[in-house]
Amino acid sequence: EAGVAQSPRYKIIEKRQSVAFWCNPISGHATLYWYQQILGQGPKLLIQFQNNGVVDDSQLPKDRFSAERLKGVDSTLKIQPAKLEDSAVYLCASSFPTANYGYTFGSGTRLTVV
Amino acid sequence: AQRVTQPEKLLSVFKGAPVELKCNYSYSGSPELFWYVQYSRQRLQLLLRHISRESIKGFTADLNKGETSFHLKKPFAQEEDSAMYYCALTTGGFKTIFGAGTRLFVKA
Repeated sequence: EAGVAQSPRYKIIEKRQSVAFWCNPISGHATLYWYQQILGQGPKLLIQFQNNGVVDDSQLPKDRFSAERLKGVDSTLKIQPAKLEDSAVYLCASSFPTANYGYTFGSGTRLTVV
Repeated sequence: AQRVTQPEKLLSVFKGAPVELKCNYSYSGSPELFWYVQYSRQRLQLLLRHISRESIKGFTADLNKGETSFHLKKPFAQEEDSAMYYCALTTGGFKTIFGAGTRLFVKA
């Protein structure tokens, strides 16, 4: 089966600019997750979708981050405006049907904000 | 609050030696625990789940509810085991919390 696809792989932007990341989960996986992984730390959940509905976005900085999953398939995560502390790897993962089976991760997008 | 603690940032062992990566969790409900691994230049991938009671690549992990631990063990480490290992806790079947990770370095 095809894995979780993410793009771009790398992105460098200046602070206060905007950026968007894209994720296409494994076909049939109803649940999609966006994680932020800062250097030296474990992944931290930003937002979780079940089909196209949000299950948990309690740790998403909603003043600058937004995410959508139209049609319950692929998803985009946007940051506007970016801050230096947003420099991290942004991981997308999917699971079927719940997290009890574990996740399949994408390769991530490494964001550097300068 | 739910929490996953991996006390060692770095663990270095010689090839052929036993290895144990520690993981402790804090959760009042019934936990689902996982180990994920990230090899150099590869994506994060699931290694094993406690519910499966499986051995993957020679690794095993036993859930100890009394000590709230889920340590990962392998009797004889191989150089190809060098990687970053993350312990993860899933609560209620939905939310997963990751530890900070332990880098395992297996020396020849």
